[in-house]
Amino acid sequence: KAGVTQTPRYLIKTRGQQVTLSCSPISGHRSVSWYQQTPGQGLQFLFEYFSETQRNKGNFPGRFSGRQFSNSRSEMNVSTLELGDSALYLCASSLAGGSARQETQYFGPGTRLLVL
Amino acid sequence: GENVEQHPSTLSVQEGDSAVIKCTYSDSASNYFPWYKQELGKRPQLIIDIRSNVGEKKDQRIAVTLNKTAKHFSLHITETQPEDSAVYFCAASSNNDMRFGAGTRLTVKP
Repeated sequence: KAGVTQTPRYLIKTRGQQVTLSCSPISGHRSVSWYQQTPGQGLQFLFEYFSETQRNKGNFPGRFSGRQFSNSRSEMNVSTLELGDSALYLCASSLAGGSARQETQYFGPGTRLLVL
Repeated sequence: GENVEQHPSTLSVQEGDSAVIKCTYSDSASNYFPWYKQELGKRPQLIIDIRSNVGEKKDQRIAVTLNKTAKHFSLHITETQPEDSAVYFCAASSNNDMRFGAGTRLTVKP
């Protein structure tokens, strides 16, 4: 099976712009979670989607949003970018046969976003 | 919400020595505790996990222990090798939430 893929891999934006990141989970996986990784804050949970619905949400401002499509692919959007949004954005998928929180998560390679 | 603290933030050991990384969590509903290894420039990958009905789990040179009463769990790596050098993340998960520790950068010196 192909692993989790994310596009684009690298992105440079300026303050005030918006950005959309894409994540394709492993085939058959129904849950997609998004994380922000920065050197100072480690891995921080953004949100989780399951069956096109946001099931869990971390402590991020409303500028961060996402959605999931019927094929389980997910997108994450950040509006009004700030310098502090520069980070590696990782998505992870899991089967979610039961509770997604209890299963192995498989991470994608990440999208490295730089905000100038 | 869940708060996971991980120590130490950096750890340097000599090849062949053991390494121990410790995490504490706050949510008593947490019942799943995975550990991820992230090599430089690569994605995090699960190396071992433990569920709350088990106190210890071992996989070759890697073991994890869990003390639910004290709300802490630890990763033990024995006979460390240079390829063990990476950042290790612990996580604590309940049905509604998964939180990661800040990570431990392990360096194994040959």
